[in-house]
Amino acid sequence: AQKITQTQPGMFVQEKEAVTLDCTYDTSDQSYGLFWYKQPSSGEMIFLIYQGSYDEQNATEGRYSLNFQKARKSANLVISASQLGDSAMYFCAMREGGGSSNTGKLIFGQGTTLQVKP
Amino acid sequence: NAGVTQTPKFRVLKTGQSMTLLCAQDMNHEYMYWYRQDPGMGLRLIHYSVGEGTTAKGEVPDGYNVSRLKKQNFLLGLESAAPSQTSVYFCASSYYPGREQYFGPGTRLTVT
Repeated sequence: AQKITQTQPGMFVQEKEAVTLDCTYDTSDQSYGLFWYKQPSSGEMIFLIYQGSYDEQNATEGRYSLNFQKARKSANLVISASQLGDSAMYFCAMREGGGSSNTGKLIFGQGTTLQVKP
Repeated sequence: NAGVTQTPKFRVLKTGQSMTLLCAQDMNHEYMYWYRQDPGMGLRLIHYSVGEGTTAKGEVPDGYNVSRLKKQNFLLGLESAAPSQTSVYFCASSYYPGREQYFGPGTRLTVT
């Protein structure tokens, strides 16, 4: 069965430093997608970055990059130059399947709370 | 362009009462989803819809019903609320099923 695991319940990082949030996944599908979402204390879910299973290059969006290691089934989020506003809960998610069977259903990990220290 | 909106934002129910949560999107998205978020468990899919008039079960559908009579609206119903349904409910939508979903602000429901 598909599963997402985030093993770091909480992380601290100093402002302006880089931080890596871990995510491993388990699936037997060849086609899948991996997402990261940010949830600040206000509660909304904010999309950060997406990586398709067939994408050969790691996805990047501004200060966010996704370190995709397919053989190890990991999709770690790297935040460069951390800012105080990056303090939030971060969720890794996986989209099941692809092609005609793709319904977009997401499976979420348990989340990692990141605190950025000034 | 309001994106995805949810009504109400907060609600307190007594056990056995019923209610309907409304999700509306103005982005002409085909796909819509209802999730619940419980502490320490991430989000779990309740029901979803791949287009107007369609609905399907997700990971945790028991105790909930849904309807998608109009493309822009996705309703989540609780017929007989139970304390185990105390949670934060998120609605989401997407144009393509494989890409990012846009989330509403959430509804915090407490069942006493």
